[in-house]
Amino acid sequence: EAGVTQSPTHLIKTRGQQATLRCSPISGHTSVYWYQQALGLGLQFLLWYDEGEERNRGNFPPRFSGRQFPNYSSELNVNALELEDSALYLCASSTGQPTQETQYFGPGTRLLVL
Amino acid sequence: GDSVTQMEGPVTLSEEAFLTINCTYTATGYPSLFWYVQYPGEGLQLLLKATKADDKGSNKGFEATYRKETTSFHLEKGSVQVSDSAVYFCALSDRDAGKSTFGDGTTLTVKP
Repeated sequence: EAGVTQSPTHLIKTRGQQATLRCSPISGHTSVYWYQQALGLGLQFLLWYDEGEERNRGNFPPRFSGRQFPNYSSELNVNALELEDSALYLCASSTGQPTQETQYFGPGTRLLVL
Repeated sequence: GDSVTQMEGPVTLSEEAFLTINCTYTATGYPSLFWYVQYPGEGLQLLLKATKADDKGSNKGFEATYRKETTSFHLEKGSVQVSDSAVYFCALSDRDAGKSTFGDGTTLTVKP
């Protein structure tokens, strides 16, 4: 069974540009989660999508947004990139309620903002 | 809010030594608890989990017991190998918020 996949693996942007990151969940999983792993800041929760709806978001500005498609894949968009957005962005997926708590992670997209 | 505190690293051990990485948590309700491992340049892999008090999670020789009375979930392994060198994250899951809260990670280096 294929795991969570993310693309691209690496992304280089300049300040002010927009970045789009993609995630495909494990087959049968309906929930997708996004986390930011910045150097020195640990893993921070960004967004949770389930059944196409945004269910919760972490303490990040509105320029971090995303969506979930009917096939449960997801996009994370980061607008007006800032240098401190440089990080590893991890996507995770899980089954739907009520057993959604085990999250399986993808390999991540490493974003570098210059 | 929820929080997870992990033993600070880095931790360096010789092969076949005993490993303990401490983890304590603060949460409302009854979260599930997890240990994830991250190898260099990779994402997180689920190592083990426990969903209720006194549950013991185990995998690949690693164990952790959900201790509600001490709000702890310490990771142990009796004999580490060089291949265990990685960063280990303790986490709890808030089912209703749909998010996991992670500790800061503990870097383990095992020397031959």
